[in-house]
Amino acid sequence: GAGVSQSPSNKVTEKGKDVELRCDPISGHTALYWYRQSLGQGLEFLIYFQGNSAPDKSGLPSDRFSAERTGGSVSTLTIQRTQQEDSAVYLCASSLLPGGPIADTQYFGPGTRLTVL
Amino acid sequence: AQRVTQPEKLLSVFKGAPVELKCNYSYSGSPELFWYVQYSRQRLQLLLRHISRESIKGFTADLNKGETSFHLKKPFAQEEDSAMYYCALSGSTSGTYKYIFGTGTRLKVLA
Repeated sequence: GAGVSQSPSNKVTEKGKDVELRCDPISGHTALYWYRQSLGQGLEFLIYFQGNSAPDKSGLPSDRFSAERTGGSVSTLTIQRTQQEDSAVYLCASSLLPGGPIADTQYFGPGTRLTVL
Repeated sequence: AQRVTQPEKLLSVFKGAPVELKCNYSYSGSPELFWYVQYSRQRLQLLLRHISRESIKGFTADLNKGETSFHLKKPFAQEEDSAMYYCALSGSTSGTYKYIFGTGTRLKVLA
């Protein structure tokens, strides 16, 4: 694939419903990152994966948020019982490797805009 | 605390004027520093990284370890430079890898 892809591009949901956001990283990239981009809040780190494991989950805002990655490729970010404050653009990025100035340049997807009514 | 600080949320300059976007960091190890840019309706993308000592689209950034700064500069701003700019660092301390972004600065270049 040419780059990181994310689906859906837009998601509107009602408060209290669960949502799943998908990320397809660049083939061969072992590291995958999730961020949240809110107006006035900049880029908020959520979680990153090295392969299928997530060594750093410190950015997840609450236990309603979870993420998994299977086969060292596709990742899913799940938000349970969505709240209005979850409304944001969720960005996914991948890098060849974490660590190292060349290898860990991040390539971003187009994002998923989540709106919770 | 490990953090990246971009003190200006919005910076407006006139076309042809010099521009400097400030970035300061706090990190216990030796981080790698990056600038990312997001143009309107486009993806966030790497602009430059300190290790390469490169100039991209006329922008340069010098890592000042004494002042823990990595300010982004361009001598003559162009309208097409209008975008959101994020400073970021990556590094590993105590076996934990971190990639930290600043809150971003929106640059508006006025005609």
